[in-house]
Amino acid sequence: SQTIHQWPATLVQPVGSPLSLECTVEGTSNPNLYWYRQAAGRGLQLLFYSVGIGQISSEVPQNLSASRPQDRQFILSSKKLLLSDSGFYLCAWNAGDREKLFFGSGTQLSVL
Amino acid sequence: SQKIEQNSEALNIQEGKTATLTCNYTNYSPAYLQWYRQDPGRGPVFLLLIRENEKEKRKERLKVTFDTTLKQSLFHITASQPADSATYLCALGLGGGYQKVTFGIGTKLQVIP
Repeated sequence: SQTIHQWPATLVQPVGSPLSLECTVEGTSNPNLYWYRQAAGRGLQLLFYSVGIGQISSEVPQNLSASRPQDRQFILSSKKLLLSDSGFYLCAWNAGDREKLFFGSGTQLSVL
Repeated sequence: SQKIEQNSEALNIQEGKTATLTCNYTNYSPAYLQWYRQDPGRGPVFLLLIRENEKEKRKERLKVTFDTTLKQSLFHITASQPADSATYLCALGLGGGYQKVTFGIGTKLQVIP
């Protein structure tokens, strides 16, 4: 069966520090991969999606970047965190021809 | 502008009653609509999908309706239980290769024993 792993679960970082969040999917190949952010009182905001290795599309301009070095690995990064980067970050995947999204357990990021 | 509206206030309901959650949208022509459940500090979990040419979908105690004329979906939980307490998100899908999905803010449901 397919599983999605996302870590760390919580992270407290100072402003200006770098960020790296990792997500891996098991039990499937060539998944679509997504990074979402959920701020308090707001809906899930799609940040990045990827349909294949090295293929990254950004939905909103921001202080973050994403990479997909392997088929089932998706990484969210920042060189210098801002206070506004705080939030709940979720990785998700789906099969190329399916609508159902499978989410990871999320990372609660606090930038202080 | 495109907008998805869910009642962001909490919905409190007595155990055993039917809970009805609403999702309204404007300036979208969705190919499908999904409902997800999210528990505090966890990722959303898929519940149901209904397509634009479908009026109603059921799964156990869950029922979803989709009215593309009213631009509205209703999500029903019959015989509600305290374990149904969670935030429920609706999401619109436009179709296409990577399945771009836009989420509403969610409605928090509290089932009171």
